Amino acid sequence: QITLKESGPTLVKPTQTLTLTCTFSGFSLTTIKVGVGWIRQPPGKALEWLALIYWDDDRRFNPSLRSRLTITKDTSKNQVVLTMTNMDPVDTATYYCAHRNTVRGPFDYWGQGIPVTVSS
Amino acid sequence: QLVLTQSPSASASLGASVKLTCTLSSGHSNYAIAWHQQEPEKGPRFLMKINTDGSHDKGDGIPDRFSGSSSGAERYLTISSLQSEDEADYYCQTWGTGIQVFGPGTKVTVL
Repeated sequence: QITLKESGPTLVKPTQTLTLTCTFSGFSLTTIKVGVGWIRQPPGKALEWLALIYWDDDRRFNPSLRSRLTITKDTSKNQVVLTMTNMDPVDTATYYCAHRNTVRGPFDYWGQGIPVTVSS
Repeated sequence: QLVLTQSPSASASLGASVKLTCTLSSGHSNYAIAWHQQEPEKGPRFLMKINTDGSHDKGDGIPDRFSGSSSGAERYLTISSLQSEDEADYYCQTWGTGIQVFGPGTKVTVL
């Protein structure tokens, strides 16, 4: 059974760096074709893909946010960490992590999400 | 540019059927897509992947009431025997070389 859970701060100040951790179980990020991604959703708006990291450490980013994002993995802890620099109130959103298998294609298992508010 | 288009809303009566459409941008009609359901105040749930030929691969425990199909650049999600718990937002997703794209979502209302 695949599960993912996001953790991190729910309130950050403008200009600060956001660090979120996705802790997962039921799969390994050492398995070929497997990846973990981050997606966010501002209140009342659509889903927006942020970043993905794969079993081979290949990393992909949303081009519009590329300069602000870092994604890393710790396979021994079954964790993926996303950092986003220079946070702004427009970055207020619920942040999700999700499992992807490149053979299957889409994100097929989602975490419950963590709401993050950017405010001074 | 890889873009997905969805109607903002759809509605149907309890027990009826509703068909949602996700349209791939020009030049991308051979892409597979996926449908995700998001109930109010909940995270997304993967429903199914739909291939160009209309074949589909469902997520865990997805009822038979949910089915998918394809025609040209359009991918469809049909919900039959509509139930109150089907009232939700439905997002389509596709993927290209190094990128993931979501559609704007369709809000389904059960009358």
